Amino acid sequence: GNSVTQMEGPVTLSEEAFLTINCTYTATGYPSLFWYVQYPGEGLQLLLKATKADDKGSNKGFEATYRKETTSFHLEKGSVQVSDSAVYFCALSEWQAGTALIFGKGTTLSVSS
Amino acid sequence: DTAVSQTPKYLVTQMGNDKSIKCEQNLGHDTMYWYKQDSKKFLKIMFSYNNKELIINETVPNRFSPKSPDKAHLNLHINSLELGDSAVYFCASSQDGAGGQPQHFGDGTRLSIL
Repeated sequence: GNSVTQMEGPVTLSEEAFLTINCTYTATGYPSLFWYVQYPGEGLQLLLKATKADDKGSNKGFEATYRKETTSFHLEKGSVQVSDSAVYFCALSEWQAGTALIFGKGTTLSVSS
Repeated sequence: DTAVSQTPKYLVTQMGNDKSIKCEQNLGHDTMYWYKQDSKKFLKIMFSYNNKELIINETVPNRFSPKSPDKAHLNLHINSLELGDSAVYFCASSQDGAGGQPQHFGDGTRLSIL
């Protein structure tokens, strides 16, 4: 079945450090890939997405590239801020209608000043 | 203005009770979902409705019953609550349920069973 694997956290960084959160997936078809972010006490917000191979999703300085050959969708940011502290989820969904999101286990990011 | 709203935000109750969580979306979306987030933050789909019709029903105890009175609302009723039901329940919606569409999430309902 389909699945998403994320690097284990927590990830602790100093402000302005470079961030990478690894995500790999297993899927039978041609999934769409997403990164969602969850701030403390809140719901999930879409951070970025990519719907086909070699697409790059980007938002708020974060970016991720859909790599079909390595089945990966790693999240990167060049310079993190304290306000980026949150839980980050990688997720996929298949193309057909009625599909749900399949999530990775989430990676907690903590940024200190 | 809230796109997907859930009530209540917190629910504390005793084992054996019956409770409901309500969800409403004002985005005009056709598809709505319920997800469960456990204590380790893992998220798993429970149910999905498209235009009031059940389309995803994962392996969930039949004590959990979703109801969609119209396509803007998806409620979750839970009978005979158990300790293991303690979790955060998230409602979400998407345009028409096709895979490439993002889902919009509510802020969650934290259910605690005493």
